[in-house]
Amino acid sequence: DTAVSQTPKYLVTQMGNDKSIKCEQNLGHDTMYWYKQDSKKFLKIMFSYNNKELIINETVPNRFSPKSPDKAHLNLHINSLELGDSAVYFCASSHRGGFYGYTFGSGTRLTVV
Amino acid sequence: KQEVTQIPAALSVPEGENLVLNCSFTDSAIYNLQWFRQDPGKGLTSLLLIQSSQREQTSGRLNASLDKSSGRSTLYIAASQPGDSATYLCAVSGNTGFQKLVFGTGTRLLVSP
Repeated sequence: DTAVSQTPKYLVTQMGNDKSIKCEQNLGHDTMYWYKQDSKKFLKIMFSYNNKELIINETVPNRFSPKSPDKAHLNLHINSLELGDSAVYFCASSHRGGFYGYTFGSGTRLTVV
Repeated sequence: KQEVTQIPAALSVPEGENLVLNCSFTDSAIYNLQWFRQDPGKGLTSLLLIQSSQREQTSGRLNASLDKSSGRSTLYIAASQPGDSATYLCAVSGNTGFQKLVFGTGTRLLVSP
């Protein structure tokens, strides 16, 4: 009965590769997000989709491309991975503008070597 | 631009102590404020959600207060236990435009037996 689930949990890959992270929520929420937690543990928003429409696109390299096939799924594809992309990526969801708060997944730890 | 600061950055206390974690935010036009807990290598667990119209919320040994006008929130933990050791994150969402959570820098808590 996991609310927000991400796969994979760990991802180790070489520089220059392309990788994807998948996220699914079964809460019936209308908005999903990708957050990045850097090495200093600071969490910052990257993207947000509301009912499959991109509504927030922070200053992120265009090597990062989110896709939302439906409002329960949000994927993150990263092209030409760089060492600096190593971080923990969290998926989250909310409903009605966050009125009920935000629910986070368990994170994907990406390590680029 | 909303900025969220948490003080102290780290806190070490003996078991049984009552403690207060502080969160301040620069823009008082918030929709709600949410406190999370993050254990090492784990995801974010929601602790308390305070709507902008509320002054406090309680859950068990936790009590969170909100003073929107002064841009402050406190998380009070009563009778601390070693199991409370974690990083505590404060996050606010704005009440204009598309909603997103802006996180604080976190307080790393260690409760010793």
